Amino acid sequence: QVQLQESGPGLVKPSETLSLTCTVSSGSIRDYYWSWIRQPAGKGLEWIGRIYTSGTTNYNPSLKSRVTMSIDTSKNQFSLNLISVTAADTAFYYCARDRAARTFDFDYWGQGTLVTVSS
Amino acid sequence: QSALTQPASVSGSPGQSITISCTGTSSDVGAYNYVSWYQQYPGKAPKLMIFEVFNRPSGVSNRFSGSKSGITASLTISGLQAEDEADYYCSSYTLSTHVVFGGGTRLTVL
Repeated sequence: QVQLQESGPGLVKPSETLSLTCTVSSGSIRDYYWSWIRQPAGKGLEWIGRIYTSGTTNYNPSLKSRVTMSIDTSKNQFSLNLISVTAADTAFYYCARDRAARTFDFDYWGQGTLVTVSS
Repeated sequence: QSALTQPASVSGSPGQSITISCTGTSSDVGAYNYVSWYQQYPGKAPKLMIFEVFNRPSGVSNRFSGSKSGITASLTISGLQAEDEADYYCSSYTLSTHVVFGGGTRLTVL
């Protein structure tokens, strides 16, 4: 059973960069798309973007100007960088596996990590 | 891209059936058979329950079923159980933003 685990700072200052890493275990990171999805407390889900093992990315247009994703297949990890954060970026951040390339649904999820943007 | 529209809450008694609707547009739900449903318990990650409108991942109870008509998708839970009490989210592929989610529905088992 594939397992995903997010890691990174839980507190980021406004205007700085949010950086998270997702480690994939009990399975290979190869040949799948890997997504980041966030959820403000008590609110709905928002897809941030995804990355393929080749490094190909797709981003949500509403966040595209601030998002960069990368992948390290040797470490079975992929990462999210979100620049110029504001309080509106405070949320639980989940990493997830895309079940299939074309369908944008997610069959394995990390437990989520809360990132708070505050000075 | 606006979120898909779901009722804020639904409720039902044990053993009953309930249906949660998810209304989109001709650019998302109405255009593609890439509708999925997720179950989320408080403090937990979402769990995929239905993909591609009506398919269940391995291990998901057959009490959960999905369907679609036009721009509205539906999740039906039959034989309602206490453990089904959770939040449910729909999502759809859309060309503009790739994925759009519904606002979520809180299911209460009375």
